[in-house]
Amino acid sequence: GAVVSQHPSRVICKSGTSVKIECRSLDFQATTMFWYRQFPKQSLMLMATSNEGSKATYEQGVEKDKFLINHASLTLSTLTVTSAHPEDSSFYICSALSLAGDWPDYNEQFFGPGTRLTVL
Amino acid sequence: GNSVTQMEGPVTLSEEAFLTINCTYTATGYPSLFWYVQYPGEGLQLLLKATKADDKGSNKGFEATYRKETTSFHLEKGSVQVSDSAVYFCALSGGTGNQFYFGTGTSLTVIP
Repeated sequence: GAVVSQHPSRVICKSGTSVKIECRSLDFQATTMFWYRQFPKQSLMLMATSNEGSKATYEQGVEKDKFLINHASLTLSTLTVTSAHPEDSSFYICSALSLAGDWPDYNEQFFGPGTRLTVL
Repeated sequence: GNSVTQMEGPVTLSEEAFLTINCTYTATGYPSLFWYVQYPGEGLQLLLKATKADDKGSNKGFEATYRKETTSFHLEKGSVQVSDSAVYFCALSGGTGNQFYFGTGTSLTVIP
């Protein structure tokens, strides 16, 4: 249980196009989802916190107009990289937090498998 | 603020050697502490966790004890295997909205 999926797992796109990445909690409801970016051989950098039904909260230095986040339901959040450029190439990982008091453990984030974005 | 400082790698060990990866933290309040493992090309998997002081998390032969007095959560394994080769991340949770704060990761390579 407590599975988080991401789609697609890999995507290659041309510079200037937009790419949408989906994050789904498959067997639990997630009021909050997080989006991270990971550079090669580096740690995860939190990009934004996504709450169902409200605007995402972006970390300092993350362009909200470039990385559009929509938390449409309690099981789905999407990250759209708009007008992608080669420097946006990275590994994007989402995680989901369960509703308070519900299974699974409220105080634990469950991570998706990641999406490898390559912008040519 | 909250932060995690993790032992830098890479770490290379022979099979059956003893492993320690140091992790210390700075936090306000009472955070939960985690170790995650990332295999090449994959996302993060929870390895173990501890939610309060003196708790010991354990899984797959790995252990870590939440030490409030030294603000540490060091990862240990008595006998590593080749299959343990991965990147290990120490993390804490406890900020507003249960944000996670990750260490920089430690790459472990176990050679036969």
